[in-house]
Amino acid sequence: DTAVSQTPKYLVTQMGNDKSIKCEQNLGHDTMYWYKQDSKKFLKIMFSYNNKELIINETVPNRFSPKSPDKAHLNLHINSLELGDSAVYFCASSYGGGVTEAFFGQGTRLTVV
Amino acid sequence: SQQGEEDPQALSIQEGENATMNCSYKTSINNLQWYRQNSGRGLVHLILIRSNEREKHSGRLRVTLDTSKKSSSLLITASRAADTASYFCATDQSSGGSYIPTFGRGTSLIVHP
Repeated sequence: DTAVSQTPKYLVTQMGNDKSIKCEQNLGHDTMYWYKQDSKKFLKIMFSYNNKELIINETVPNRFSPKSPDKAHLNLHINSLELGDSAVYFCASSYGGGVTEAFFGQGTRLTVV
Repeated sequence: SQQGEEDPQALSIQEGENATMNCSYKTSINNLQWYRQNSGRGLVHLILIRSNEREKHSGRLRVTLDTSKKSSSLLITASRAADTASYFCATDQSSGGSYIPTFGRGTSLIVHP
């Protein structure tokens, strides 16, 4: 069983569209994250979420919004996509925030044309 | 924001040689973690070292932590072609009472057979 799964793996879309990336973890973790990895491999935290608190990186545009229907899911919604949003997006989860190891999904490569 | 900065950015060695990667960070930490990323895949946790530990081993991996210098190193002994990957360190950045694994750009390791 895949511990952290995200779909789709590839997403090609036009500028201005709205899209979602889904993430599910079956590890029973209490915290989930979204990261963005740019072309230079820099991995930047976008959101951290547990059932009590959403922490947003203040540099993330408000066109990006996380939605958590339950503890095992944290989806990423992106409105009005821009060319600069092209990147690989990773979902991850862990127990207790950063004090334990994080498990990552395989990534979603988003290309905005 | 605090993040681990890996050095060197790229490392190319022959199979059988040792590979050493370094990580520096800016503020105090509870723990530091090392992750590996194969091309086109998500990150995989390798080892976690706590702030009160100075050295840790796992198979061919050896991690050191010097909190006075705010630095860590990852040593891979007797490298193999299969070790070719990017390696990231992550520090636990405190934010709003939670800790978020915060990464740098990674070191790209190529091991030639």
